[in-house]
Amino acid sequence: ELKVEQNPLFLSMQEGKNYTIYCNYSTTSDRLYWYRQDPGKSLESLFVLLSNGAVKQEGRLMASLDTKARLSTLHITAAVHDLSATYFCAVDTGGSRLTFGEGTQLTVNP
Amino acid sequence: EPEVTQTPSHQVTQMGQEVILRCVPISNHLYFYWYRQILGQKVEFLVSFYNNEISEKSEIFDDQFSVERPDGSNFTLKIRSTKLEDSAMYFCASSELIAESTDTQYFGPGTRLTVL
Repeated sequence: ELKVEQNPLFLSMQEGKNYTIYCNYSTTSDRLYWYRQDPGKSLESLFVLLSNGAVKQEGRLMASLDTKARLSTLHITAAVHDLSATYFCAVDTGGSRLTFGEGTQLTVNP
Repeated sequence: EPEVTQTPSHQVTQMGQEVILRCVPISNHLYFYWYRQILGQKVEFLVSFYNNEISEKSEIFDDQFSVERPDGSNFTLKIRSTKLEDSAMYFCASSELIAESTDTQYFGPGTRLTVL
């Protein structure tokens, strides 16, 4: 059974600081997604990572994928309050299902 | 920008009743999905649907559940004889393609199901 583990599960950080969220998964996959969820809202697609070494950046967020290590990272640069949300990674193992991690609840404090 | 829509936004039902959750996927998408998220927990896959049949289903998706595309735009999830533990947010998603494609699954706003 595929396991997808994120850490940390809770992250409280100051505005302007940098931090990284980690997503480990237990089986081979070449496709990994990052989603953002605001409280009571749906999942917003942030990044699709399709191959080993893939790196994508959007604003203050940068995601990378190491398929050999079965690890993806979501790096936050100079955090701002608007980034407060829950971030999920999700792994696609070639079928049609996404297997999600537990989510990282990020709070950015002024 | 096209988006997935879901109705109702909140459904309250009595245990044992049947509910139908409705979704309108993005119009040119071919693959449709249902996921659920129990409060405070992670998102769990229920089922995927393509070409008018189920592509894949999870262990959660037992005989209590069924999906249907009754017309060219709607995609429904029926839950028969609801149980308390069915209370969750149910998300519909759609994508243009899967497998070899790069396409993302786009999620709707969700239906919060409360079973009393």
